[in-house]
Amino acid sequence: AQSVSQHNHHVILSEAASLELGCNYSYGGTVNLFWYVQYPGQHLQLLLKYFSGDPLVKGIKGFEAEFIKSKFSFNLRKPSVQWSDTAEYFCAAAVTGNNNAGNMLTFGGGTRLMVKP
Amino acid sequence: DAGVTQSPTHLIKTRGQQVTLRCSPKSGHDTVSWYQQALGQGPQFIFQYYEEEERQRGNFPDRFSGHQFPNYSSELNVNALLLGDSALYLCASSLFWQKWSSYNEQFFGPGTRLTVL
Repeated sequence: AQSVSQHNHHVILSEAASLELGCNYSYGGTVNLFWYVQYPGQHLQLLLKYFSGDPLVKGIKGFEAEFIKSKFSFNLRKPSVQWSDTAEYFCAAAVTGNNNAGNMLTFGGGTRLMVKP
Repeated sequence: DAGVTQSPTHLIKTRGQQVTLRCSPKSGHDTVSWYQQALGQGPQFIFQYYEEEERQRGNFPDRFSGHQFPNYSSELNVNALLLGDSALYLCASSLFWQKWSSYNEQFFGPGTRLTVL
């Protein structure tokens, strides 16, 4: 069964610090990978996605993620965080190439990021 | 262009009761997926509806059922509520993946917060 794990449950950073949130997935086939963000009181929003091609993908608000197939990882990075990045971040995966799979998303447990001003 | 809308925003029920949650998809979307997000956890896939049929189902008991209407809106019904059903219920809409032969992004609504006492 497909699963997604996020290593850090809570991360606290000061503004301008660099961010890296870990994500690992377990699935042997082809997967699409995503990072979603949930700002306080708001709905889930897509930050970035990886389908194929360049393993380094850039998303909104200066975020990027690197797909490393050999490590089954899709870590999220941002060179310099801002107070407004305080939110919960979710890594997710969806299988492809399977008529029964559709676009069901499997989410990790989430990482709550707090950025201190 | 309205995004995904859900109603009600909050709901309080007691054990054993039944509840119905509603979702209207983003304009142009034909597929609705439901997710349960327990406190401190990532969303878990419940089921997906397309063409008024349940297409996929996650690991949830039969107490969870759904419906999709001809206008693509959807309902989630939960019978015999348990304390453990307390969660944020998220609706996501998209285009059915097979139709477009690639993964189609899911757009999430704000959720319905269900509290079971």
